[in-house]
Amino acid sequence: EVHLLESGGGLVQPGGSLRLSCAASGFTFSSYAMSWVRQAPVKGLEWVSTISGSGDSTYYADSVKGRFTISRDNSKNTLSLQMNSLRAEDTAVYYCAKEYPPDRGGWFDPWGQGTLVTVSS
Amino acid sequence: QLMLTQSPSASASLGASVKLTCTLSSGHSSYAIAWHQQQPEKGPRYLMKLNSDGSHSKGDGIPDRFSGSSSGAERYLTISSLQSEDEADYYCQTWGTGIRVFGGGTKLTVL
Repeated sequence: EVHLLESGGGLVQPGGSLRLSCAASGFTFSSYAMSWVRQAPVKGLEWVSTISGSGDSTYYADSVKGRFTISRDNSKNTLSLQMNSLRAEDTAVYYCAKEYPPDRGGWFDPWGQGTLVTVSS
Repeated sequence: QLMLTQSPSASASLGASVKLTCTLSSGHSSYAIAWHQQQPEKGPRYLMKLNSDGSHSKGDGIPDRFSGSSSGAERYLTISSLQSEDEADYYCQTWGTGIRVFGGGTKLTVL
């Protein structure tokens, strides 16, 4: 069974940094693209970033480009999101998601349970 | 620009059927989408991938009450024999090279 467990959320001041992690198990991690998706309070889902299985290709939403960095450690089955220059509008629950099908990805299945990031002074 | 449009809300009675709509932006009518369900206070759950020809593949454990269909740029999610636990937000999602897109979501109320 696939398990995705996010960690690293918390309260941070505007302009600060935070690093999220996602521990994956139950599948061949390196074969699948992985993504971060966020959901601001009482708002819809917003794609943040995707990384290919090998880690060679990364993609970002315009809203986070230049501030966030996605990475993965295939030896530890771990996905990360380094968030810098955080703004109030980055406040959200951040979900880790495995993409399907293998290699090229596309849709999210399954999702983690999420970790809350609050940007406030 | 690749976009998805959903009605903000829908409602139907317990035991009835409901059909939710997701519309692809102009020029993207051949794209497949995925449907995801988010029950209150929970994380999203993948329901199915839906192709432009209406064929679909559901996630593990998704009941037969959930089905998908397509017509042109429209993608539909039909839920039959509505149950109270179907009250949730439903999101459609699509993808391209280097991009993933969500619709705004439809809040389904079961009366």
